[in-house]
Amino acid sequence: EPEVTQTPSHQVTQMGQEVILRCVPISNHLYFYWYRQILGQKVEFLVSFYNNEISEKSEIFDDQFSVERPDGSNFTLKIRSTKLEDSAMYFCASSEAGRPYEQYFGPGTRLTVT
Amino acid sequence: EDKVVQSPLSLVVHEGDTVTLNCSYEVTNFRSLLWYKQEKKAPTFLFMLTSSGIEKKSGRLSSILDKKELFSILNITATQTGDSAVYLCAVGGLGTYKYIFGTGTRLKVLA
Repeated sequence: EPEVTQTPSHQVTQMGQEVILRCVPISNHLYFYWYRQILGQKVEFLVSFYNNEISEKSEIFDDQFSVERPDGSNFTLKIRSTKLEDSAMYFCASSEAGRPYEQYFGPGTRLTVT
Repeated sequence: EDKVVQSPLSLVVHEGDTVTLNCSYEVTNFRSLLWYKQEKKAPTFLFMLTSSGIEKKSGRLSSILDKKELFSILNITATQTGDSAVYLCAVGGLGTYKYIFGTGTRLKVLA
């Protein structure tokens, strides 16, 4: 069964460093999302992406964050200058063209900022 | 403010028991509600509900939505230890792809 994959599974970085989290959505999906879950808290929406542009973003998704679909298969989340409070599990999700509201999640990247 | 509340927060049952998990919501212009099962990694999609009173069923799992009373339930019959997980409920409104998640219900099934 097709699934969303994410790399790396765990990333440790120092405060102020840039990180790029990578996702390979399900191949025929056209809508892409990033969510995050701080330890012990709820899953929170960050951004949705469709047709090579951001369709929606939350207040969390400030200028330090950016997303990109650099090729036909990858979808990335970049954090330019990480802060301690960026430590969280970051989930990528995707959905197919006819069903944009059925979102399938990847296994997540645990980001630890020290 | 939109919100999603799940209850109970945690639940311990024995194999073979039936459980009912609750999700209540307040969302502007409700569109859909999703249920996920989250074990160690990815939340696994279970159901999407958009209409009141129509039961979605998959094996031992079923779910129904009540748009008048603003809640959904997820039933698991004849529970197995493999059902142990956190069950997440998420609700989306019209005009947005964003889902608002509840805190989840942690289910532990004992052998």
